[in-house]
Amino acid sequence: NAGVTQTPKFRILKIGQSMTLQCTQDMNHNYMYWYRQDPGMGLKLIYYSVGAGITDKGEVPNGYNVSRSTTEDFPLRLELAAPSQTSVYFCASSFDTTTQHFGDGTRLSIL
Amino acid sequence: QKEVEQDPGPLSVPEGAIVSLNCTYSNSAFQYFMWYRQYSRKGPELLMYTYSSGNKEDGRFTAQVDKSSKYISLFIRDSQPSDSATYLCAMMSGGSNYKLTFGKGTLLTVNP
Repeated sequence: NAGVTQTPKFRILKIGQSMTLQCTQDMNHNYMYWYRQDPGMGLKLIYYSVGAGITDKGEVPNGYNVSRSTTEDFPLRLELAAPSQTSVYFCASSFDTTTQHFGDGTRLSIL
Repeated sequence: QKEVEQDPGPLSVPEGAIVSLNCTYSNSAFQYFMWYRQYSRKGPELLMYTYSSGNKEDGRFTAQVDKSSKYISLFIRDSQPSDSATYLCAMMSGGSNYKLTFGKGTLLTVNP
């Protein structure tokens, strides 16, 4: 099993561009999450989903959008990229709400 | 007061030492307590998970939760260079609350 797969691993964007961070899991987990991790700041929840077609905001949702059309996929969309969105983005999934499995992240720089 | 406080370190110890990592928290609703290990340029991986107060042991790792003091600890016995990583504590209140609140992480280096 691959677990949680994130693509791309690294990306540089210009201010104002948009992009989609991809996340796929093969564990048939209902719960999926997007976090951002800034240096020395821990992880902050951006959006989460409790199943296909159901999403909700986390702690820091501004500037991002998500969709969940299938159990496996949970893409994160950045519209009008800003320097404040430079971060490492992690996707996670879980069978229950407590045991979250993380991907290896997407390192995003906005210049 | 922040919800979860964790000393960022860095912490440097010789191989074989006992390591103590700690977090304090302010939200008395937290019931689920986790420790994640994160190697450089990798995602966090769940190391230990405890529900409510008490101790849990898994090999060289012991997690302790003291809800009366709002204090959790992770002990690593006979530390190895492969234990060098960032350790993140995380907490959740449970029920329909899906929000996992993380500490900032402690960078640990075990020197051979």
